[in-house]
Amino acid sequence: QQQVKQSPQSLIVQKGGISIINCAYENTAFDYFPWYQQFPGKGPALLIAIRPDVSEKKEGRFTISFNKSAKQFSLHIMDSQPGDSATYFCAARMWDTGNQFYFGTGTSLTVIP
Amino acid sequence: AAGVIQSPRHLIKEKRETATLKCYPIPRHDTVYWYQQGPGQDPQFLISFYEKMQSDKGSIPDRFSAQQFSDYHSELNMSSLELGDSALYFCASSLSGITPGELFFGEGSRLTVL
Repeated sequence: QQQVKQSPQSLIVQKGGISIINCAYENTAFDYFPWYQQFPGKGPALLIAIRPDVSEKKEGRFTISFNKSAKQFSLHIMDSQPGDSATYFCAARMWDTGNQFYFGTGTSLTVIP
Repeated sequence: AAGVIQSPRHLIKEKRETATLKCYPIPRHDTVYWYQQGPGQDPQFLISFYEKMQSDKGSIPDRFSAQQFSDYHSELNMSSLELGDSALYFCASSLSGITPGELFFGEGSRLTVL
């Protein structure tokens, strides 16, 4: 059972456009929501993260929007660049079960020059 | 800054053989995780260790075992390898207490079973 549902599976955006990736969860025990960026052949790297007591977090061109009541969170990449082309995973952490992370199924982002 | 070190980076084995992957966490990190990632798949949690004790177990097959040693490095042992075990295996580490939740991944070990 997929604890974190992620969409879309793939996304193609023009350079300079906005990329939006959405995730949803059911378990209210999750207390930390990171996004990871993964390039081919590399390990996932932490991009940005948010805790449920905050509705938005922005770091440079990357913004997480968090809707606690809807149990949804999304990643917005502003002014998308070809170098942003990668696979993005959302995740949710459950501290009570030993700091275990549950990953979404990933979104393959392609930014066209 | 030191990162998570995994070895070997690539490994080719025959069916029914055994393989051992090694992971050296970031210094002072007290928790190590193992993940398996198939082609186009999300990382699947296998097992984790906190302070050298197994802390959680995910979808790790009975043919696999893992341990964390006194120097905090961890090894994933895989026996009776099957074709379906071909995947990228990631190790990640974290430090509990100060910034709980930040997972730092290694570059991965690519296992190919022929």
